[in-house]
Amino acid sequence: AQSVTQPDIHITVSEGASLELRCNYSYGATPYLFWYVQSPGQGLQLLLKYFSGDTLVQGIKGFEAEFKRSQSSFNLRKPSVHWSDAAEYFCAVGTRNSGGSNYKLTFGKGTLLTVNP
Amino acid sequence: DGGITQSPKYLFRKEGQNVTLSCEQNLNHDAMYWYRQDPGQGLRLIYYSQIVNDFQKGDIAEGYSVSREKKESFPLTVTSAQKNPTAFYLCASSARQGSIYGYTFGSGTRLTVV
Repeated sequence: AQSVTQPDIHITVSEGASLELRCNYSYGATPYLFWYVQSPGQGLQLLLKYFSGDTLVQGIKGFEAEFKRSQSSFNLRKPSVHWSDAAEYFCAVGTRNSGGSNYKLTFGKGTLLTVNP
Repeated sequence: DGGITQSPKYLFRKEGQNVTLSCEQNLNHDAMYWYRQDPGQGLRLIYYSQIVNDFQKGDIAEGYSVSREKKESFPLTVTSAQKNPTAFYLCASSARQGSIYGYTFGSGTRLTVV
């Protein structure tokens, strides 16, 4: 079964600094990969997703993520963080061969981002 | 605009009462999901449904029940058997192969036992 690990529970950065949130997955084949963001008291919003092809994926709000097969990672990056980026971020993995009964995504436990002024 | 609507946003329940959380989508999605969220525990799957009149238990189904009589609707009932129901509940929907296309989430319902 697939699994997702987000090693950092909480990260604090200064406004304007660069950001990298880590995500590692466990799955036997090439997975579908997602990053979601959740503001306090809200639902999750999709930031970006990886299907295949180019391993560097661009998303909304200036975020990007890079799929590294050799490291089983899909880290999220942003070159300059804004105060409005403070939120919780979730990585998720879906199986590729889901034509049968497995339609579910598996989510990591999330990384809470605090942005200092 | 298409989307997924959860209501109410805040809900208060007395001990021993059942309450029902509403989830409606107009995205023509086949699959729908209910998650529970507690601080530091991420998202935990309660129930999911891939097609009308069919649903499966997730990881923490005890004390919860669901129905899927219409494609657009997937209500969750928190029964009195759920010992610690205070939490944030999220509903999501997806195309049939949700693991490929991802999920669309509602804005959540915060349930508090008083």
